[in-house]
Amino acid sequence: QKEVEQDPGPLSVPEGAIVSLNCTYSNSAFQYFMWYRQYSRKGPELLMYTYSSGNKEDGRFTAQVDKSSKYISLFIRDSQPSDSATYLCAMRPPPGGGADGLTFGKGTHLIIQP
Amino acid sequence: GAVVSQHPSRVICKSGTSVKIECRSLDFQATTMFWYRQFPKKSLMLMATSNEGSKATYEQGVEKDKFLINHASLTLSTLTVTSAHPEDSSFYICSARKASGTSSYEQYFGPGTRLTVT
Repeated sequence: QKEVEQDPGPLSVPEGAIVSLNCTYSNSAFQYFMWYRQYSRKGPELLMYTYSSGNKEDGRFTAQVDKSSKYISLFIRDSQPSDSATYLCAMRPPPGGGADGLTFGKGTHLIIQP
Repeated sequence: GAVVSQHPSRVICKSGTSVKIECRSLDFQATTMFWYRQFPKKSLMLMATSNEGSKATYEQGVEKDKFLINHASLTLSTLTVTSAHPEDSSFYICSARKASGTSSYEQYFGPGTRLTVT
């Protein structure tokens, strides 16, 4: 079992729809959870982060973490064609344990149809 | 801001040659930089963690003699792919973490370097 599982898609939805992106993970040591957006041939851009369980909202984006289920989600409201990209979840343990790098999901390719 | 640059953005080299990729934090100091590799339609895989002034820490399965990392200053880390082979062709991305006033999750990524070995 991979540490982080993410459906690669593609996920195609009409403009204005609510998008739900998800990841599951197996390492209970993960405490910090992030969502990155990556356009083709570009580096990832940090969208959202959450610490431990809970929700966090930023504009049209909402990140949710359910540590009991080892499940994280990113919701995009009022989706726009410019949101079309690959969305990667990433996570890591607390600092100080020597494992400072991020563990990424495979990424979900999202297409917003005009 | 927190801008990270990489140079070159794209490089083509012949098998057996060495290639150096630079990663710079432009407007902040970074005690730690990370090197990732991404194959087509695959996730980013951490290769190594680079701390300024000390030896890099490599992930399991990554050859430290093949992927030489130098982090000589708080704004620059380099990755040298030695004796490159076609299977080393990939998208190499670095990230940097701020040296101070930072939260542990904040890694800022560079735009990536696409390496093609012929």
